Amino acid sequence: RKEVEQDPGPFNVPEGATVAFNCTYSNSASQSFFWYRQDCRKEPKLLMSVYSSGNEDGRFTAQLNRASQYISLLIRDSKLSDSATYLCVVIPDSNYQLIWGAGTKLIIKP
Amino acid sequence: SAVISQKPSRDICQRGTSLTIQCQVDSQVTMMFWYRQQPGQSLTLIATANQGSEATYESGFVIDKFPISRPNLTFSTLTVSNMSPEDSSIYLCSVEVLGAGDEQYFGPGTRLTVT
Repeated sequence: RKEVEQDPGPFNVPEGATVAFNCTYSNSASQSFFWYRQDCRKEPKLLMSVYSSGNEDGRFTAQLNRASQYISLLIRDSKLSDSATYLCVVIPDSNYQLIWGAGTKLIIKP
Repeated sequence: SAVISQKPSRDICQRGTSLTIQCQVDSQVTMMFWYRQQPGQSLTLIATANQGSEATYESGFVIDKFPISRPNLTFSTLTVSNMSPEDSSIYLCSVEVLGAGDEQYFGPGTRLTVT
């Protein structure tokens, strides 16, 4: 089992819809979690951290489910500009090495 | 956050040559890292660039192939040595900013093609 797994997609979603995707992790002692966004041919950019209590930033909501060992990202009222690959990142312990998921590709269609 | 620049942004190199990539940050940072991202793949950590000492390499990466320097807290270089077409990839520098927890910020990347 991979340390961090994501559905590669692509998720084809109409503009204005709500879309959610998950990321599972294997190490139950993992400490920190993040969602990054990567546009085609660009570097990854931090979208949001994922806190135990959940995290909301505008149309984006990230949640952590420790019992089932996954994090989720919910995008409401999706925009064309949300089209990108969303990368899940987990820090499994205190050595600060980030473990990257392979990414979920999201395509928002007009 | 931090503003990170990389040079060159892209290059096409011949097999057997070497390329040095520079990473410059606009503020002092605690940690600097070098990643590789091959087409359609996620990021793979090459090494952690340590200021004033040898870099810490991940499994599958060695100093002879990817020598790294970090002479100060704002600058690092990665050299891809004796290149082969398999080294064609995007090379990304990232940093952890003091006081920003575990969040990492990335440079724009260097797109390397080896012919």
